[in-house]
Amino acid sequence: EAGVVQSPRYKIIEKKQPVAFWCNPISGHNTLYWYRQNLGQGPELLIRYENEEAVDDSQLPKDRFSAERLKGVDSTLKIQPAELGDSAVYLCASSLDPAGYQETQYFGPGTRLLVL
Amino acid sequence: GNSVTQMEGPVTLSEEAFLTINCTYTATGYPSLFWYVQYPGEGLQLLLKATKADDKGSNKGFEATYRKETTSFHLEKGSVQVSDSAVYFCALPLTQGGSEKLVFGKGTKLTVNP
Repeated sequence: EAGVVQSPRYKIIEKKQPVAFWCNPISGHNTLYWYRQNLGQGPELLIRYENEEAVDDSQLPKDRFSAERLKGVDSTLKIQPAELGDSAVYLCASSLDPAGYQETQYFGPGTRLLVL
Repeated sequence: GNSVTQMEGPVTLSEEAFLTINCTYTATGYPSLFWYVQYPGEGLQLLLKATKADDKGSNKGFEATYRKETTSFHLEKGSVQVSDSAVYFCALPLTQGGSEKLVFGKGTKLTVNP
């Protein structure tokens, strides 16, 4: 069974440029998460989807970040414009059960973003 | 609100040494507790979990016991291998503002030398 797939793995951009990250969750997993992981820190949730609905986006900086999950499968996270402080690893995760956080989350390898 | 505090790293051990990574938590009620591991260049993966007080989670030789008296969930392994070199994260669910999310500790980097 394929795991969570993310692309690109690395991205270097200049500040004020746009950037997008793509995630393909494990087949059949209805719940999808985007996290940001700063250097030396644990992941922090940005947004959670159940199918195509964003059920928790309270931590997403909506002035510059946007996300979508068309057809309840793949998801894209976008930053426009990027700032220096956005440099981090962006992780996508998925889980089978939308009922809460008792279910195991499966993480992708992440996209490492560097904003210059 | 719920939170976790992890032992700061990095931790460097020789192969076959005993490992303890401390994790204490603050929580309302008795939520499930998790240890995730992140190997170099990879995403996080669940290592073990415990769903209620006094439960012991175990996997790959690692163990952690959910202790409500001391609000702890320390990770232990009797004999570490070079392949255990990774970053280890303690985590628990947090309900805040009507939504629930998984809260991670800062992570503890373990390096095991041959």
